[in-house]
Amino acid sequence: EDQVTQSPEALRLQEGESSSLNCSYTVSGLRGLFWYRQDPGKGPEFLFTLYSAGEEKEKERLKATLTKKESFLHITAPKPEDSATYLCAVQPYNTDKLIFGTGTRLQVFP
Amino acid sequence: GAGVSQSPSNKVTEKGKDVELRCDPISGHTALYWYRQSLGQGLEFLIYFQGNSAPDKSGLPSDRFSAERTGGSVSTLTIQRTQQEDSAVYLCASSLKGVSNQPQHFGDGTRLSIL
Repeated sequence: EDQVTQSPEALRLQEGESSSLNCSYTVSGLRGLFWYRQDPGKGPEFLFTLYSAGEEKEKERLKATLTKKESFLHITAPKPEDSATYLCAVQPYNTDKLIFGTGTRLQVFP
Repeated sequence: GAGVSQSPSNKVTEKGKDVELRCDPISGHTALYWYRQSLGQGLEFLIYFQGNSAPDKSGLPSDRFSAERTGGSVSTLTIQRTQQEDSAVYLCASSLKGVSNQPQHFGDGTRLSIL
């Protein structure tokens, strides 16, 4: 069964304290892995797509990496405005839907 | 506004009533998706449209749920005889085309509360 597990469930960081969020997945064949950011009361906002193991993508303080079993979202020197829930999703090869994890709720304190 | 638009943003209704939720996708996006997000749960896939056809309805939880899309654009999700367990945020997404790894872009959802 296709499955996505994210850890930790919640993460509290001091401003400037770098860390990583984990997304472990089991999928019959991976078409793509997606990272989204979700603010309270809003829909998920697209961040990155990763297609194959070894691939990396960067955007400002965020860097996403991918292996055959997991993806990491690295946050370098976070700021309070990075506080949000970060969602990971996989798209299996034989389908169009996304399978989401339950997210990591990140809080960054000044 | 270039994003996915959903209405209403909030809906409160009594158990047993029917509700209709609307989604207006990004212009030019042929693929449209409905998801449901319950408290403490991940987003759960409901249905996928490519144009006006729905090749994947596998996530619809019961026959009380139906959806249609007209003109390759606006979609409505209808829930008949609502139950309390239907309370959730219903999210719509669109992408340039289906059967690919194009990113899905989401609206802000309709928060549905069943009394």
